[in-house]
Amino acid sequence: GAVVSQHPSWVICKSGTSVKIECRSLDFQATTMFWYRQFPKQSLMLMATSNEGSKATYEQGVEKDKFLINHASLTLSTLTVTSAHPEDSSFYICSASSLSGSTDTQYFGPGTRLTVL
Amino acid sequence: GESVGLHLPTLSVQEGDNSIINCAYSNSASDYFIWYKQESGKGPQFIIDIRSNMDKRQGQRVTVLLNKTVKHLSLQIAATQPGDSAVYFCAEKSGSARQLTFGSGTQLTVLP
Repeated sequence: GAVVSQHPSWVICKSGTSVKIECRSLDFQATTMFWYRQFPKQSLMLMATSNEGSKATYEQGVEKDKFLINHASLTLSTLTVTSAHPEDSSFYICSASSLSGSTDTQYFGPGTRLTVL
Repeated sequence: GESVGLHLPTLSVQEGDNSIINCAYSNSASDYFIWYKQESGKGPQFIIDIRSNMDKRQGQRVTVLLNKTVKHLSLQIAATQPGDSAVYFCAEKSGSARQLTFGSGTQLTVLP
């Protein structure tokens, strides 16, 4: 089956620093990748949609200058949390999708736990 | 706005019993539905999906039922096992949209 990886799986950083999270599709080419944020005991909230080679589309309320997304290849997307603050602490999950015929399934990565001190 | 929600936030079942997890959606244009399982500290795992031209779909130990009349979706798990303990999310999308809208989730606990 389709496998999506994320790196790192967890990260602790100081307030004011930037953190980069990688999302890779290991065995398929992902035309689109999605970034979600999930707070404890809550659902997944879509942050942005990223298409390879173009600018990401951010959901309402998500600061594009704070959450930088790059999707430079069909197998890699990165999310950079700039000038992180404690309120950015969350579980960040990516998913990858490849339109193939009538199938458009999103395959999720294992998530990255970000803790900002 | 449009939303996808669940009736019950928690569900406890005895090992070996069947589980039913429900989901209500409000977007009448939704035409594709997916159930995901999320274990603690992990990403969502695809369980089963169904398109709006169907009302039932079966997988291994799982069945999804779709009632478009009342905009209701359910996930049935047969012979629930301890490994089924997790949070279950329904998600939907409509038409050519690529984005998924997730429900609030149900915590399933399997009792020994």
